[in-house]
Amino acid sequence: SQKIEQNSEALNIQEGKTATLTCNYTNYSPAYLQWYRQDPGRGPVFLLLIRENEKEKRKERLKVTFDTTLKQSLFHITASQPADSATYLCAPVSGSARQLTFGSGTQLTVLP
Amino acid sequence: DGGITQSPKYLFRKEGQNVTLSCEQNLNHDAMYWYRQDPGQGLRLIYYSQIVNDFQKGDIAEGYSVSREKKESFPLTVTSAQKNPTAFYLCASSMLGAGTGANVLTFGAGSRLTVL
Repeated sequence: SQKIEQNSEALNIQEGKTATLTCNYTNYSPAYLQWYRQDPGRGPVFLLLIRENEKEKRKERLKVTFDTTLKQSLFHITASQPADSATYLCAPVSGSARQLTFGSGTQLTVLP
Repeated sequence: DGGITQSPKYLFRKEGQNVTLSCEQNLNHDAMYWYRQDPGQGLRLIYYSQIVNDFQKGDIAEGYSVSREKKESFPLTVTSAQKNPTAFYLCASSMLGAGTGANVLTFGAGSRLTVL
C-alpha cells in the first residue's frame, strides 16, 4: 500500500540555522509533490509544488528537492525564525490522482 | 476576498445526534474536499467532489455523508453511525479538475467537533 513518512514527529532548531524536513514515500510514482504549512488550530496553507522533472525549487528562504530515485523530498528553511514554527505537511501526488494524500507532518519549533 | 468559509468553528454534539458542518467557497473552484485530522496525525480524506451533484468516498467515508447541490457549497453531515466523531474537520477546494495532479488545495479554517 502507499505510504508517506515524514521525519521525526518534532524537530527543534536554533534561530538562524537551516531546518531540513524529510518526506519519504513508498509505492508511489508521484508526478508532483506539494508542501503545506499548518499552524495550530488552522487549515494548512500551500507553500511549494515541485514536479518530477525538477530537481530543486526555491521560494525566498524555502528550498525543496525531489529525488525520484530515492523516493524522497527534502524541505529546507534557511535562516530560520521563530515565526517559522509550525507543522509542515508533504503530499506526493500521482499524475492521475483525483485527491491528495498527506503525510502526518513534522512539527518544527525554531528556538530564539 | 476569496476564500473558504467553514462554520461553525466549534461544535458540541451529544451521542446519537447528527450534525452538519458547512463549507462555502467563493473561489469558483471545481473540486471540493473534506478531511479529518486527529491530534498528532495527518489529514485523512472523507469525501471529495469534482462537479455538482457528484462526489466520491475517500479513505474514511463510513459514518459521514455529503451533498454538492451548488458549486460553492459542500456540507458534511456527521451521522450517529460515526463511532468516534470528535476531531478537527477541514474543508478544501482546488481550481483544477481533480486528476491533474497539480491541484493546489485552499483550506478553510476548520471546524472542531466534540462529542459529549
